[in-house]
This record gives sequence, C-alpha cells and structure tokens, in this order.
Amino acid sequence: DIQMTQSPSTLSASVGDRVSITCRASQTISSWLAWYQQKPGKAPKLLIYKASTLESGVPARFSGSGSGTEFTLTISSLQPDDFATYYCQQYNTYSWTFGQGTKVEIK
Amino acid sequence: EVQLVESGGTLVQPGRSLRLSCAASGFTFDDYAMHWVRQTPGKGLEWVSAISWNSGDIVYADSVKGRFTISRDNAKSSLYLQMNSLRAEDMALYFCAKDIIRGVIHGPLDIWGQGTMVTVSS
Repeated sequence: DIQMTQSPSTLSASVGDRVSITCRASQTISSWLAWYQQKPGKAPKLLIYKASTLESGVPARFSGSGSGTEFTLTISSLQPDDFATYYCQQYNTYSWTFGQGTKVEIK
Repeated sequence: EVQLVESGGTLVQPGRSLRLSCAASGFTFDDYAMHWVRQTPGKGLEWVSAISWNSGDIVYADSVKGRFTISRDNAKSSLYLQMNSLRAEDMALYFCAKDIIRGVIHGPLDIWGQGTMVTVSS
C-alpha cells in the first residue's frame, strides 16, 4: 500500500494566519490526492481533489498544490471555522490510503 | 437534501457477523460508486471497500478481504457491508461515502454519512 505521511501532526495558529500542511506519498501518485476537513463528532468533508481542484462550496482561502509525491494544503487566512483536523487521501491505486491527520488548533 | 444514513452498528462478539446498511437520498444513487471507510482513534481513517454503480467492480482493503462483502441495491438506494469473522481490530466508526465521479470507482468522496459504531468485544 502507498503510505501517506502528513506534517506537522499538530499546528497551533491564530485567526488570520497563513498555514500550510504537507502530505508526502511513499510513491508517486500523480495528482490523485484529496484533502478533507473533519470536526469532532462529524464526518470528513471534501475540500480539494486532484491535488488542486476546489470542491464546490469550499471557500477560496483553501488551496492545494503539488504532484508526484509531495503535496500542500494552504489556508490563506485562518478563520475560526477552520480549526479542525485535516487529512490527505491518495486515490492513485485501488487501495486508497489516508494520512494520519493534522490538527489545527488555536494558538 | 443529499444524505447518507448508516445503521446496523452495535456491540458484537469476536468471530460473529454483522451487516451494516446505508440509505441514500437526494441524489441518483445508481449513478455513483460507493465506499465504506472506517475510523478509529488509533489508526485514523481507513478505506475498507468500494463498489461501482452497477456492482460490476468491487474492491477491498487487504485487512478485510475474504471476511467482508460489499453490496448495493439500487432499487432501494441502499449500500451494505456484510462483516463476518469480526475481530477486535475491526472495532471502529464505519462511514459510507459517495464517490465524486459518476459510474466508476475513482476515489474522492464528496458525501459522507454520520457513521455507525461497531464494537467488537466479548
């Protein structure tokens, strides 16, 4: 299976900060990468797919970049609603795998 | 409103069986592949299984292959997961989720249910 490694595991930031989360794949996955946001007690919510395509309804402060094995999720100006856990997911092969998650918490 | 509602999760003894269901509404169910994903505090999110729109393509994670069976009834807009020979490591919150692409199994999951909890313990 392709292993997905996110960094950092926890990120402390303030409202208005620009934050970035990195996701690395153990082998190349082209651009077959999605990002999800999850809040406590809720299901994951799709933010970005195909590495950089913003899902409908997702605020433009979220963006994704990268290809191959290294990817980044950036929030341009952190809002109170953005404090959550973020996961990357590869779908390059018929054995989808998720990163371990990055918790974005209030500084 | 587009919605997925899982049910069937409960406490079950190791080695026993359980069937999860997922009722879909608000979209054309038989147009889309569907997935099961589970979540535990220790292992995070783990993809379990997927089925194409017409059940012609089915895939499983190695951890459940041979024990779990995914199926769907398009007439009832429902997805199922038959779980046999349950183990302690199968204990998790199970989500059903809709694939973003029509027809084939692709991978980004744009609609998720709220999850149903499976507890495996004697």
